[in-house]
Amino acid sequence: QKEVEQDPGPLSVPEGAIVSLNCTYSNSAFQYFMWYRQYSRKGPELLMYTYSSGNKEDGRFTAQVDKSSKYISLFIRDSQPSDSATYLCAMGAVGEGAQKLVFGQGTRLTINP
Amino acid sequence: NAGVTQTPKFQVLKTGQSMTLQCAQDMNHEYMSWYRQDPGMGLRLIHYSVGAGITDQGEVPNGYNVSRSTTEDFPLRLLSAAPSQTSVYFCASSRPSSYNSPLHFGNGTRLTVT
Repeated sequence: QKEVEQDPGPLSVPEGAIVSLNCTYSNSAFQYFMWYRQYSRKGPELLMYTYSSGNKEDGRFTAQVDKSSKYISLFIRDSQPSDSATYLCAMGAVGEGAQKLVFGQGTRLTINP
Repeated sequence: NAGVTQTPKFQVLKTGQSMTLQCAQDMNHEYMSWYRQDPGMGLRLIHYSVGAGITDQGEVPNGYNVSRSTTEDFPLRLLSAAPSQTSVYFCASSRPSSYNSPLHFGNGTRLTVT
């Protein structure tokens, strides 16, 4: 079983929809939770970062962490065609350093105009 | 500001050939790492370095070598290419000891081994 599980999709929604992307994990030591966005033929770029449990909001994006359920989510409100990309969750444990992130498989998202 | 630069962008190798994937960063980052990305597998860590002269293995190190003689460069060497090494390879860098400092990725090298 992978440490981090993410539904690879693909996920296709109409413009303006609310999108929910999710990851589950098995390692209780994970304390740092990130979402990366990757456009086609490009490297991933950090979108959201959360430490421990709770919510974090940045514009149209909201990241949620539920450590009791080992479940994290990324919500995109008022989705735009420019949000079409692959979204990867990533997690890290205290003491492991940013270099030892564990990534999910990535969810390919398409927003249709 | 170039960030993380990877060369070449594309490469085709025959089984048994060797090659070096180049990675350079101009952000004076101490941490550098190599990942491979395969369909359905996400990003998997191959090797990483916490500074010049220091390297360590990640999740999938077999068949790859690294060295770090300067802060800027972190090349990845394939010793004897195998079809299982067909993948997209990403180099990344970051400042040390901080999850608030994101991993900065290059745009990848797409490698096919026939």
